[in-house]
Amino acid sequence: SQQGEEDPQALSIQEGENATMNCSYKTSINNLQWYRQNSGRGLVHLILIRSNEREKHSGRLRVTLDTSKKSSSLLITASRAADTASYFCATENQAGTALIFGKGTTLSVSS
Amino acid sequence: EPEVTQTPSHQVTQMGQEVILRCVPISNHLYFYWYRQILGQKVEFLVSFYNNEISEKSEIFDDQFSVERPDGSNFTLKIRSTKLEDSAMYFCASRGQGVETQYFGPGTRLLVL
Repeated sequence: SQQGEEDPQALSIQEGENATMNCSYKTSINNLQWYRQNSGRGLVHLILIRSNEREKHSGRLRVTLDTSKKSSSLLITASRAADTASYFCATENQAGTALIFGKGTTLSVSS
Repeated sequence: EPEVTQTPSHQVTQMGQEVILRCVPISNHLYFYWYRQILGQKVEFLVSFYNNEISEKSEIFDDQFSVERPDGSNFTLKIRSTKLEDSAMYFCASRGQGVETQYFGPGTRLLVL
């Protein structure tokens, strides 16, 4: 399968610290996307990185992609309590018609 | 900012009953999707829809499921005879032409008793 798989499964940090989540996948991709989900709510798109990109920034988010290792990381800098959520990576299937999600990392930021 | 909307937000039904979940995608989007998330598990792809036909469907999307775009704004998911294991959060998503990002709705929480 082409699923992204995140680690760690759960991460607890203090406000102001950085949070790093990793994602691995198995097959060739066109792009890799990160989504956020607050408890019991919908998915919010955070950032997309294409297969020919190595790093991308958006505000306090930094995403890297290593296609040779089939892995990506999401870094949230200077975390806030409001960043508490589950974070999922997703890759497009080979037909480009669906997103395949990983199991997610649950981030808890305490103040 | 335009957003995907879904109704109802919650639905409780008896096993064997039919349910229809409704979605209004972003207005100029052309690609539509349904996903589901069983409590505590990952988001799973069900089906994608473009140009009034199914583009792709997963193993989960069996004969009990169907999708329809009955008019220019709605996109529906029907489950003909619900099972206990259909209990999940169902998400609709849409995507514009030439855009890679899918935009998700808030979900419908379906509980089958």
